Amino acid sequence: SYVLTQPPSVSVAPGQTARITCGGDNVGSTDVHWYQQKPGQAPVLVISYDTDRPSGIPERFSGSNSRNTATLTISRVEAGDEADYYCQLWDSSTDHYVFGTGTTVTVL
Amino acid sequence: EVHLVESGGGLIQPGGSLRLSCAASAFTFRRYWMHWVRQAPGKGLVWVSRINGDGSSESYADSVRGRFTVSRDNAKDTLYLEMDSLRAEDTAVYYCARVGEQSGSYLDYWGQGTLVTVSS
Repeated sequence: SYVLTQPPSVSVAPGQTARITCGGDNVGSTDVHWYQQKPGQAPVLVISYDTDRPSGIPERFSGSNSRNTATLTISRVEAGDEADYYCQLWDSSTDHYVFGTGTTVTVL
Repeated sequence: EVHLVESGGGLIQPGGSLRLSCAASAFTFRRYWMHWVRQAPGKGLVWVSRINGDGSSESYADSVRGRFTVSRDNAKDTLYLEMDSLRAEDTAVYYCARVGEQSGSYLDYWGQGTLVTVSS
């Protein structure tokens, strides 16, 4: 089955930029979505279709996807951005939905 | 505002069965594909199952196929997950989620989850 690999953790100082990668075989050929999950809460969609921000998501959140890596970028990081982040795609060959392994973002 | 509320979780012995429900409101339920996603304590998100709008098409993760059954009652705006032959590794918070754009590949609204604990 398809595997999406994320770094377990990313640490960043307030005001700096956090980049979270999501690696998978030829992931750039499909749509990748990103979710933020804070402790004790349900996930929230922050990026759809590689680069689209849903209504209400700050412009500081952006995404890209190319070849074997999709990336979620959080600019001007704030304390409130501390959370787990997951990438996700639909594997059309199996009709399965796949989540990445998850990345914990810590604001120093 | 779209609202999804799961129920039916609890403590169940290995080998037992449980049915989860997800009550939907504030959108035209029958038009949207729906999913179940689970999260074991301290672990990541794992996709479980999805069903299309009229209930004619389903898909399951390999780990639950043959044991779990997803269904929906569009007259009641409710999604279900029937879980049989439960194992300790099925212990998790189970979320229902709505697909964006009715049949897209992302999940735009999630419930708060219901905890299933499989233990003797």
